[in-house]
Amino acid sequence: KAGVTQTPRYLIKTRGQQVTLSCSPISGHRSVSWYQQTPGQGLQFLFEYFSETQRNKGNFPGRFSGRQFSNSRSEMNVSTLELGDSALYLCASSYGGQGRNNEQFFGPGTRLTVL
Amino acid sequence: KQEVTQIPAALSVPEGENLVLNCSFTDSAIYNLQWFRQDPGKGLTSLLLIQSSQREQTSGRLNASLDKSSGRSTLYIAASQPGDSATYLCAVTNTNAGKSTFGDGTTLTVKP
Repeated sequence: KAGVTQTPRYLIKTRGQQVTLSCSPISGHRSVSWYQQTPGQGLQFLFEYFSETQRNKGNFPGRFSGRQFSNSRSEMNVSTLELGDSALYLCASSYGGQGRNNEQFFGPGTRLTVL
Repeated sequence: KQEVTQIPAALSVPEGENLVLNCSFTDSAIYNLQWFRQDPGKGLTSLLLIQSSQREQTSGRLNASLDKSSGRSTLYIAASQPGDSATYLCAVTNTNAGKSTFGDGTTLTVKP
């Protein structure tokens, strides 16, 4: 069974630009969650999508957005990049349904550097 | 708001020792608790998942316990090896809806 994949693995952008990251979950998983990891703040929850609907949202500004497609693949977009957006962005997939074993499996992450 | 604390922040042990990592959480109404390891610059690898109704889970040399009433979980590693060196993260989820709160992790170094 293929694991969670994320593309691209590395990105370098400048302030003010926008970026789109992609996550393909494990086959059969309908939930995709996104997290930001920085040395100072640790792992912070961004949002979660289940069956193309955003089900949960963390405390990030509106510059951070996402969506999920009918095949459960998810994208996250960051507009008007700031230096503080430099981080490792991780996505996790799980079944997501009530009563299911909702073990989360993480991808390798996308390392975003904002100059 | 769920808060998760992991103690100690760092731990260094000689190879072969048994060790315990601790995780505490403030809201006991959890859905599940998951332990991960993370190698530098990499993603998270799932180690063990404990459902809310369970008390412990075992996988090989790893054993994780859960005490919801006291808001605690422990990860026991038996006969530690240098390959166990990594950061260990505890994640608590309060609903089935994929939003986990993570601790800051314990960085483990196992010396040959």
